Amino acid sequence: GENVEQHPSTLSVQEGDSAVIKCTYSDSASNYFPWYKQELGKGPQLIIDIRSNVGEKKDQRIAVTLNKTAKHFSLHITETQPEDSAVYFCAARPPETGNQFYFGTGTSLTVIP
Amino acid sequence: ETGVTQTPRHLVMGMTNKKSLKCEQHLGHNAMYWYKQSAKKPLELMFVYNFKEQTENNSVPSRFSPECPNSSHLFLHLHTLQPEDSALYLCASSHEGQGAYEQYFGPGTRLTVT
Repeated sequence: GENVEQHPSTLSVQEGDSAVIKCTYSDSASNYFPWYKQELGKGPQLIIDIRSNVGEKKDQRIAVTLNKTAKHFSLHITETQPEDSAVYFCAARPPETGNQFYFGTGTSLTVIP
Repeated sequence: ETGVTQTPRHLVMGMTNKKSLKCEQHLGHNAMYWYKQSAKKPLELMFVYNFKEQTENNSVPSRFSPECPNSSHLFLHLHTLQPEDSALYLCASSHEGQGAYEQYFGPGTRLTVT
C-alpha cells in the first residue's frame, strides 16, 4: 500500500519568512496530493491540492510542487503570518484504492511574531 | 465552515456505555468517511460509504458500527469501547465521480473513554 512520510514534524519561523514542508510517497500511481491545515479544536481544512499531471500550483502565499520522478511534493508558504500557525498534513491518493487518502504524520508550524 | 457538521463535539463515556456520533454534510456529496485521529499518528480511515453503501472497512473492531441512512447523514455507533479508543473522530465527505477527489472534513468529536 501507499506510504507517506512528512518532514519536519515541527517547524518554527519568524513572521515574514518562508516555510517549506516536504512529503514523500511510495506508490508511483498516486495521482492526487492535497494539503490540509488543522487549527486547534478544528477539523482539517483543505488549503491547496495538486494532481499528478501538474508540476506546480500556486494560490496567493501558498504553493505546492510535485516531483513525480522522485515521488515527493512540498508545501511552500511565503510571507508567513501568525495565523499560519497550525498543523499541516499532506496526503496521497492511489487510484486503485478508490478515493482513499494516505496521510502524513503532520507538521506543527509556529510563526513567531 | 466546511459544510460538514458533527455532534457532539466532545464526549466522555465509560467502557460499558453505548453512544453515537453524528455527521451531516450540506454539500450535496455522495460519499462519506469516518477517520480516527490520534496524537503523533497519521489520520486512519475507518469506513467509507459511497451512495449509502459501505465500500471500505479498514479492519475496524466491531465495537465501532457505522450507519449511513442517506447520502447526507452518517453515524458511528459506539459500544464497549476501550481507553485506547480515545481520539478525535473526524467525518469527511466528497463527491465521487467526474474526477473530483477533494474531501472536506467536519470539526470532529473529541472522544474520551474512561
